[in-house]
Amino acid sequence: NAGVTQTPKFHILKIGQSMTLQCTQDMNHNYMYWYRQDPGMGLKLIYYSVGAGITDKGEVPNGYNVSRSTTEDFPLRLELAAPSQTSVYFCASSPGTLAKNIQYFGAGTRLSVL
Amino acid sequence: AQTVTQSQPEMSVQEAETVTLSCTYDTSENNYYLFWYKQPPSRQMILVIRQEAYKQQNATENRFSVNFQKAAKSFSLKISDSQLGDTAMYFCALYNNNDMRFGAGTRLTVKP
Repeated sequence: NAGVTQTPKFHILKIGQSMTLQCTQDMNHNYMYWYRQDPGMGLKLIYYSVGAGITDKGEVPNGYNVSRSTTEDFPLRLELAAPSQTSVYFCASSPGTLAKNIQYFGAGTRLSVL
Repeated sequence: AQTVTQSQPEMSVQEAETVTLSCTYDTSENNYYLFWYKQPPSRQMILVIRQEAYKQQNATENRFSVNFQKAAKSFSLKISDSQLGDTAMYFCALYNNNDMRFGAGTRLTVKP
């Protein structure tokens, strides 16, 4: 099973550029999440989605956008990248039911904005 | 807002011994879930153990167990018979209503 797949694994972006981090899952999970992890810190929730066509803001949404056109895919868009967005980005998915809200994580994307 | 605090930035333990990692949290909700995640150098987030707040019984998974004190809002992780492969960052997390909050983590080193 592939689980949650994130691409790319690494990327260097120039200040002011834009890019999309890709996330896809093959577990038919309804819930998907994007987090960022700054050095020496825990993960912080950027955006989440409870199903196709439904997204909502997390703790740190500024500077990011998401869309959810299919159950499988949940891309994260960075517009006008800034050095403060240098971080490791994790995508996760979950069945979403109260009894099974365990989140399954991708391997992460390390992004540097220079 | 929900918060999670891990007061031990780093800990070490000898192989085969027992270690306890601390976590405290704050939430106004009554129904929530608590997790411990492990992050080895590979960066992959791996679920260690999960506790439902409505359950009084402490969760156990093989060598890993928790001490859940709901009134004190405390959720510590005990690792028994520590192994070299347990060396990693450990994150405590609180989940409620689509909001997951992580602590800053504890770096655990298991020494041979």
